[in-house]
Amino acid sequence: AQKITQTQPGMFVQEKEAVTLDCTYDTSDPSYGLFWYKQPSSGEMIFLIYQGSYDQQNATEGRYSLNFQKARKSANLVISASQLGDSAMYFCAMRGYNFNKFYFGSGTKLNVKP
Amino acid sequence: GAGVSQTPSNKVTEKGKYVELRCDPISGHTALYWYRQSLGQGPEFLIYFQGTGAADDSGLPNDRFFAVRPEGSVSTLKIQRTERGDSAVYLCASSFGLRDDEQFFGPGTRLTVL
Repeated sequence: AQKITQTQPGMFVQEKEAVTLDCTYDTSDPSYGLFWYKQPSSGEMIFLIYQGSYDQQNATEGRYSLNFQKARKSANLVISASQLGDSAMYFCAMRGYNFNKFYFGSGTKLNVKP
Repeated sequence: GAGVSQTPSNKVTEKGKYVELRCDPISGHTALYWYRQSLGQGPEFLIYFQGTGAADDSGLPNDRFFAVRPEGSVSTLKIQRTERGDSAVYLCASSFGLRDDEQFFGPGTRLTVL
């Protein structure tokens, strides 16, 4: 069975500092994709970053990077130089080999303090 | 360009009534997904369309829920005999249907069953 676990319901970070949001997953699929989405209070899901299970390098997109440790089945999101606008819910998601559905974690609410 | 649109943005109905929620995906996207997001939770997969056919409807909670995509573009999620437990935000997402690509989400329809 596929499962995504986000163990941090809420996080605080000081503006301009870096923060790591944890995500672990469980799957028996031979290949899979890992995604992070941001959901501001407005409700829309915004794609941040993608990591394929066979990608050799960790994904980066601007201030976002994904710390992918395949053996540990973790895919943590690192946000560098936090901004006030980063305050939102963050969801980790996985798409399995049979890529018809996404599995989402329960989310982490990030608050950036000025 | 235009993103995924969903109508209505809010729907209030009474227990036992029938509702239809509409999703207009990004033009050219063959894959379409419906999710349900309860308060404080991550999106929960309901159904996935590839073209006109429902490739995976394993997430539909029961036979009161049904979805169609007759021409491979617009999709309608139909809920019969609504119950208070159906209250949630219903999200639609679309993608090109390739293994590594991201989903683009609509703003959601907030359904409230009184």
